[in-house]
Amino acid sequence: GAVVSQHPSRVICKSGTSVKIECRSLDFQATTMFWYRQFPKQSLMLMATSNEGSKATYEQGVEKDKFLINHASLTLSTLTVTSAHPEDSSFYICSASYRRNTEAFFGQGTRLTVV
Amino acid sequence: AQSVTQLDSQVPVFEEAPVELRCNYSSSVSVYLFWYVQYPNQGLQLLLKYLSGSTLVKGINGFEAEFNKSQTSFHLRKPSVHISDTAEYFCAVTGVDYGQNFVFGPGTRLSVLP
Repeated sequence: GAVVSQHPSRVICKSGTSVKIECRSLDFQATTMFWYRQFPKQSLMLMATSNEGSKATYEQGVEKDKFLINHASLTLSTLTVTSAHPEDSSFYICSASYRRNTEAFFGQGTRLTVV
Repeated sequence: AQSVTQLDSQVPVFEEAPVELRCNYSSSVSVYLFWYVQYPNQGLQLLLKYLSGSTLVKGINGFEAEFNKSQTSFHLRKPSVHISDTAEYFCAVTGVDYGQNFVFGPGTRLSVLP
C-alpha cells in the first residue's frame, strides 16, 4: 500500500523559535496533501490543503503567517510553525490521497511541544 | 459540505464481547465512507472503506461495517473484541470528486476490559 512518512515524530522547541515538519509520499505522487491538527482527546481538524506548485488553502481561523505550508514537489509538503508558542503544542498529522480520493494515507504524526 | 456524527464518545466493553460503534453522516453529494483507528501518539490506520457495491464491508482485524444509505449510517462492528482493540476510532467521509478533503467524526474511544 501507499506510504506517507512524516518527520519528526516528536519535537520540543523553545517559545519563539520555528519548527519544520515534513510529509513525504514515498511510493506515489500526491498533488494534494492535507495538514491536520489534533488536540488531546479530540478529532482531527483540517488546517490547510497543500497543492503542489501553488499556494496552500487555509481553513477559516488558521493563521497562514504562523503555519507556513510549502508543497514544492509531488512527494513533499512541509509545515513550518513560526514563532511557536505553548498554545501551538499539539499533534500534527499530514495525509495524501490519490486514485480519485478513494483512500487517505496518513503520516505517523508529529507531537510538538513548545516550552 | 459533509459532516460526520459519532454519538458515542466512549464505549467500554468486556473482552470477547461484541461491539458496535455508530457513525452517521450528512452530505449533499455522493460520498465515500471510511473507518480509521488511532493508537496513542500514532497516525491513523485504515480499517475499512465503502466506495461502492456491497453495502457490507469487511476490513482488517475482524471489523466490518454496513452502509445504510436511507439512514445515512456506516456503523462499525466486531463480533468479539480483544484487549488490543483498545484505541480511538474515527469515522470519515469524503466527496466522490477528487481533491476533497476528508471530514472526520469526533471519534469514539473503545476501551476493552479484561
